[in-house]
Amino acid sequence: DIQLTQSPSSLSASVGDRVTITCRASQSIATYLNWYQQRPGRAPNLLIYAVSSLQSGVPSRFSGSGSETEFTLTISSLQPEDFATYYCQQSYTTPLTFGPGTKVDIK
Amino acid sequence: QVQLKQSGPGLVKPSETLSLTCDVSGDSISSASYWGWIRQSPGKGLEWIGSVHHSGTTYYNPSLKSRVTTLADTSKNQFFLRLSSVTAADTAIYYCARFGRGNSFGSWGQGILVTVSS
Repeated sequence: DIQLTQSPSSLSASVGDRVTITCRASQSIATYLNWYQQRPGRAPNLLIYAVSSLQSGVPSRFSGSGSETEFTLTISSLQPEDFATYYCQQSYTTPLTFGPGTKVDIK
Repeated sequence: QVQLKQSGPGLVKPSETLSLTCDVSGDSISSASYWGWIRQSPGKGLEWIGSVHHSGTTYYNPSLKSRVTTLADTSKNQFFLRLSSVTAADTAIYYCARFGRGNSFGSWGQGILVTVSS
């Protein structure tokens, strides 16, 4: 199975901050990397697919980059509704796997 | 806009079979998409269970493959999850989802907490 790790596991930030989350894969997954946001008590919500493509309706302050084994999710200016947990997921091969999550909370 | 609505029991006894249904609206099960099941537990995070295509093609997580069945019913625009011989380790929130671009999970059901307990 392809293992995904995320760093940091949690972070505290303020509204307006630029936030970067890293996801690393145990082997190359080309550009088959997706990002989700999950608010408490809700289902995950797709933000970005195929490394850098923004899902319809997702604000442009979210962006993604990377390739092979290292990927990043960036929030350019953190908004109050962005305090949540973020997960990466690889769709390169089955079993599809998720990272352990990065919790973003208010400083 | 596709919507997925899940139904099923919230409590299942050990050794019995967990059965969940996902009702799809706003899209046809017979579209080209795959449809999937994911679960989330505090101990294991998000875990992909399996996926089904309306043609009957399925993919399962090897860790669960011996106990999982996923089916699609095009006449009712629904798909289903069956997980047999459940134990307390199967206690989790279960989600159904539609595959989107890049084989991402583009749309999700609301989630159902299933507790395995006698």
